[in-house]
Amino acid sequence: AQSVTQPDIHITVSEGASLELRCNYSYGATPYLFWYVQSPGQGLQLLLKYFSGDTLVQGIKGFEAEFKRSQSSFNLRKPSVHWSDAAEYFCAVGVGEYGNKLVFGAGTILRVKS
Amino acid sequence: SQTIHQWPATLVQPVGSPLSLECTVEGTSNPNLYWYRQAAGRGLQLLFYSVGIGQISSEVPQNLSASRPQDRQFILSSKKLLLSDSGFYLCAWGDRVEAFFGQGTRLTVV
Repeated sequence: AQSVTQPDIHITVSEGASLELRCNYSYGATPYLFWYVQSPGQGLQLLLKYFSGDTLVQGIKGFEAEFKRSQSSFNLRKPSVHWSDAAEYFCAVGVGEYGNKLVFGAGTILRVKS
Repeated sequence: SQTIHQWPATLVQPVGSPLSLECTVEGTSNPNLYWYRQAAGRGLQLLFYSVGIGQISSEVPQNLSASRPQDRQFILSSKKLLLSDSGFYLCAWGDRVEAFFGQGTRLTVV
């Protein structure tokens, strides 16, 4: 069965420091992979997505993610975190006939300290 | 551009009462529509999805049901709420491989 694992429930980083959020997936076919961000009490906003091609994907707000098939990973990175990045981040894999159903990880809550 | 509306934003309901959450999409036709639930401290779980009017697929057995009476309208319902139905409910519409989410409904069953 398809699954997504985000091993870190909480992460705290200092403002200006680099960030890496981990994501591992289990899916038999070529995955469609996504990172979403959720501010408290809000819906989800898409940060970036990977369908095919270049394994390093650029997203909004200065985020990027790298798809590594050999490790079944799709880690999210940002070189310098801003206080406004504090939120919950979800990794997801698209499954189904057209990859249009999302299976989400449990999320990682990012705290930014000044 | 496409927009998705979901209401109400918050809802407090007693155990055993009925539920109706509504979601509408503008700016697109024949979208795939989804209901997700986010329980406290957990990720999002797909509850229902629909590829067309009257076509509903349930992903997990539960106390809830969904209906799609119009192309761009998706309704989540329950006849009798349970405490375990509390959570954050998100409606989404999708094109081929990307989902766009509403602002969510925080449901508290008391």
